[in-house]
Amino acid sequence: EVQLVESGGGLVKPGGSLRLSCAASGFIFSNAWMSWVRQAPGKGLEWVGRVRSKADGGTSDYAAPVKGRFTISRDDSKNTLYLQMNSLKTEDTAVYYCTTVGDDRYRSGFDCWGQGTLVTVSS
Amino acid sequence: SYELTQPPSVSVSPGQTARITCSGDPLPKQYAYWYQKKPGQAPVLVIYKDSERPSGIPERFFGSGSGTTVTLTISGVQAEDEADYYCQSADTSGTYVVFGGGTKLTVL
Repeated sequence: EVQLVESGGGLVKPGGSLRLSCAASGFIFSNAWMSWVRQAPGKGLEWVGRVRSKADGGTSDYAAPVKGRFTISRDDSKNTLYLQMNSLKTEDTAVYYCTTVGDDRYRSGFDCWGQGTLVTVSS
Repeated sequence: SYELTQPPSVSVSPGQTARITCSGDPLPKQYAYWYQKKPGQAPVLVIYKDSERPSGIPERFFGSGSGTTVTLTISGVQAEDEADYYCQSADTSGTYVVFGGGTKLTVL
């Protein structure tokens, strides 16, 4: 069974930094393209970015609001995905989910999700 | 980047049919996906590649598309279907993932 478990959320001041982790199990993590998606309070889902598998280059893409401030990385030896968030703004307050496509039939549909971790940016 | 546009809300009575639309320029070239999102829960994929249903999703969920608009149709709506629904696709290069703004489905 695929499991994704996020951790690392919490309260941080504007301008501060935080690193989220996502521990993966139940699938071949090293082959997976992994994404982060967030949902601010009362708002919709927003894609944050992704990291490709090492076999596909290991490169990352980011949504415009976080580009240059957030970095997505992975440690395949630990089956763990990371989201390093710097220069945090109040508008980054959200529940952050890690997600992936667990079945190739679903193409780019995210069928595997963690439970989410809450990040609150406030002074 | 581009946007996917959804109506903010749709209301139907139990047993009726709900239709939720999603519009965006790249939709004829990029697949659309639909998610059901309930408060406090992770999103659930209900439609992939425009019209396919993942295993475990009831047959009353149906996806279709025409031109720059895709539609999620829920037939015989049940109280448990009350949720926010989001469409998802990608830009024309396929690099960036985009979600629609979401539609709140209310079962009267």
